[in-house]
Amino acid sequence: TQLLEQSPQFLSIQEGENLTVYCNSSSVFSSLQWYRQEPGEGPVLLVTVVTGGEVKKLKRLTFQFGDARKDSSLHITAAQPGDTGLYLCAGVFSGNTGKLIFGQGTTLQVKP
Amino acid sequence: KAGVTQTPRYLIKTRGQQVTLSCSPISGHRSVSWYQQTPGQGLQFLFEYFSETQRNKGNFPGRFSGRQFSNSRSEMNVSTLELGDSALYLCASSLSSYNEQFFGPGTRLTVL
Repeated sequence: TQLLEQSPQFLSIQEGENLTVYCNSSSVFSSLQWYRQEPGEGPVLLVTVVTGGEVKKLKRLTFQFGDARKDSSLHITAAQPGDTGLYLCAGVFSGNTGKLIFGQGTTLQVKP
Repeated sequence: KAGVTQTPRYLIKTRGQQVTLSCSPISGHRSVSWYQQTPGQGLQFLFEYFSETQRNKGNFPGRFSGRQFSNSRSEMNVSTLELGDSALYLCASSLSSYNEQFFGPGTRLTVL
């Protein structure tokens, strides 16, 4: 069974603080995607990482893909209240095309 | 380019009934995947269709079925509804089974 562990599950921080969310698996990902979801809406794609060691930046968000393609992290610098939401990592494993395995999600609350 | 659309957005049914949900993918996308999201289980993969063929299937009972039409639009059917089927049902489209997925807003199904 291919599992994806995401941590922490909940995070409540003050505006301006930094945070990191982790996503780990015992299996190798073909690719990994990070999404953000607002209540009652579908997940919105933030980034896709494919190559081991890859780093991508999206404004204050930095995404890293582990060298062995078994883990990833999302780092937010100087969090803003607008960053509040559910962050999800989702991996595609070799041989499972079209199927995303999701982590449990990280609920982030940024207080002004 | 229009995003993924899902209809209806909200649905209330009673136990034992059946329901059909619809998904229109982004123009040009040929792969459609379906997911169930609940507070307890998170996002779980139901099935994926590509060019009218089911390419991958998750671990859901046979009451959950789907199909895809020649224009890539997809429908999902749940028969003999149970209380535990209450969930947000999401569909996602991608160019192919290997590409990143873009989600629709979801259909909120409540079974009474």
